[in-house]
Amino acid sequence: AQSVTQPDIHITVSEGASLELRCNYSYGATPYLFWYVQSPGQGLQLLLKYFSGDTLVQGIKGFEAEFKRSQSSFNLRKPSVHWSDAAEYFCAVGLFGTGGFKTIFGAGTRLFVKA
Amino acid sequence: DTAVSQTPKYLVTQMGNDKSIKCEQNLGHDTMYWYKQDSKKFLKIMFSYNNKELIINETVPNRFSPKSPDKAHLNLHINSLELGDSAVYFCASSPKGFGEKLFFGSGTQLSVL
Repeated sequence: AQSVTQPDIHITVSEGASLELRCNYSYGATPYLFWYVQSPGQGLQLLLKYFSGDTLVQGIKGFEAEFKRSQSSFNLRKPSVHWSDAAEYFCAVGLFGTGGFKTIFGAGTRLFVKA
Repeated sequence: DTAVSQTPKYLVTQMGNDKSIKCEQNLGHDTMYWYKQDSKKFLKIMFSYNNKELIINETVPNRFSPKSPDKAHLNLHINSLELGDSAVYFCASSPKGFGEKLFFGSGTQLSVL
């Protein structure tokens, strides 16, 4: 069955430090890949998306993600974290299945930023 | 203008009651969704509608009945509420329904007592 794994439930980084959030997926073909961010009390907002082309994708708020087919991974990175980046981050896979196209989310990684 | 708006933001009710959550999008999108986010933040798709037609129904109890009067609206009615229905329910939309990003509403926190 298709799945999305985010191995880290939560991560704490210092402000100004670099960040990498991990995401692995299980799917027969290359799916659509997304990273979303959820601030407290809010809906999810798309950070970036990948389907084909350059495997390094730039997103909003200074985030980037790299697709590695050999590792079935799509890790999110940011070179220097700001306190306002503290939020819940969701990796997601978009794929065609029975009933049409759907987006499946990982369990999320909560990012804490310390001063 | 809020792109995807859902009401109410908070809903507190007793077990056994029937309640509805409304969702409207002003983006002109063809596809709308309902997602459920549990207390552990796990987000699971419930339903998907494309141009008022049900496309995805993900093993959701039939106490949950979505209704789409037009492609800009997707409401969720829940009968005989149970404690396990307590969650945050998100409405979302996308332009065509595949390969596109989702635009989310800000969620409805449902608490069943």
